[in-house]
This record gives sequence, structure tokens and C-alpha cells, in this order.
Amino acid sequence: DIVMTQSPDSLAVSLGERATINCKSSQSVLYSSNNKNYLAWYQQKPGQPPKLLIYWASTRESGVPDRFSGSGSGTDFTLTISSLQAEDVAVYYCQQYYSTAFTFGPGTKVDIK
Amino acid sequence: QVQLVQSGAEVKKPGSSVKVSCKASGGTFSSYTISWVRQAPGQGLEWMGRIIPILGIANYAQKFQGRVTITADKSTSTAYMELSSLRSEDTAVYYCASYLGIAVAHGMDVWGQGTTVTVSS
Repeated sequence: DIVMTQSPDSLAVSLGERATINCKSSQSVLYSSNNKNYLAWYQQKPGQPPKLLIYWASTRESGVPDRFSGSGSGTDFTLTISSLQAEDVAVYYCQQYYSTAFTFGPGTKVDIK
Repeated sequence: QVQLVQSGAEVKKPGSSVKVSCKASGGTFSSYTISWVRQAPGQGLEWMGRIIPILGIANYAQKFQGRVTITADKSTSTAYMELSSLRSEDTAVYYCASYLGIAVAHGMDVWGQGTTVTVSS
């Protein structure tokens, strides 16, 4: 299975400041035939199911605020919240869907400083 | 867009099995791939497996091979996840999640509300 790691485990950011979460896969999730990275980001708030934020590593899901952005390729990816809002307090997960067995990263908890 | 509604909470004895359902509405069931993801208390997300209903083909995470069976009933637009030989470590919230498409995988954009399964003697 492809192993996903995330860093940091948690971070606290002041309102309006930038939050950056890193995700690394144990093998490339870039599919050469279509040049797409099979990598998604999710946000999960307490007591709720996860919500898809980003797919293909950098495509924002409809309705997701543009302060959320995804970048990276191959094995290294980043989710950036450009200006943290109170409603962004959550756990964020990356997930690869390159292999037939999907896998998630362990999650990064984002709080307000 | 499809909506997914899951069956209610379950309490099971160790060694028994549980079957959770996930009913789709508002979309063409056969156009979707349905995954099952679980989350133990205070823990992260764990993908268990998925099914392409129109093909009836399922694949599973290695960890659950032999213990989980995912099926789909096209006539009722319902997917099922059955987990056997339950142990306390299987206590978790179980989610179904879907994406549109069967040939190319995608991020899971629709999620069920979750079903709490408690395994306790």
C-alpha cells in the first residue's frame, strides 16, 4: 500500500495568518498518461463526516473558499490556508487514489493561536 | 448530486458480524463508485474498500481482506459493508463515501452521515 505521511501533526495559527500542511506519499501518485496527481485533501470538523476540499492535488471542489489551495506533484504536496478563519478549525487529511487501495494520511489538526 | 443515507447505530458482541447499509438517492447509482471509510474514536480515517455497483466489482484494503465484504444492490441503490469476526478494535464510525465515475478514481465528494458500530461484550 502507498503510505501517506503528514506534517506537522498539529499547528496553531493566528486568525488571518497562513497555515501550511504538508503531505508525502511513499511513491509517486502522478499518473503519467494524463499528468494528474491522484491526491485529495479533506477537512473534518468534530462530529461531522469529512468534506472534500481539493482533488487532483490542486483543483478546488465547488463551493470551497479560495483561501484553500493545494500544490505539489509526485510525492510531495501542500495544503495552504492563506488567511485562517475561525471556521477553518478542523483536522485536515490528505488521501491518495492512485492505487486501487486508497490510503489517508494521519491528519493534521489546525487550531487558532 | 447523489445523497447517501446510512443505517443506524449497532452494538455487537465480539466474534459476531455487522452489516451497514448506505442508500443513495438523487443520482444515478450505477454511475458512482462507493467506498467505505472508518474512524475509530479519536483516530484518523481508514479506507476499507470500494465497489463499482454497475460492475459488482469490489476491492479491499489488505488489512481487511477476508473479513470485509462490500456489496451493492442496484435495484434499491444501496451499498452494504459487512465486517465479520468483530473485535473491540472495530469500534468506530463507519462512513460510506462516493465519487462520480467508474473508470477513473476521484476524490470522494459525497459522504454518508456515518454509522457508529460498538463492539462490546
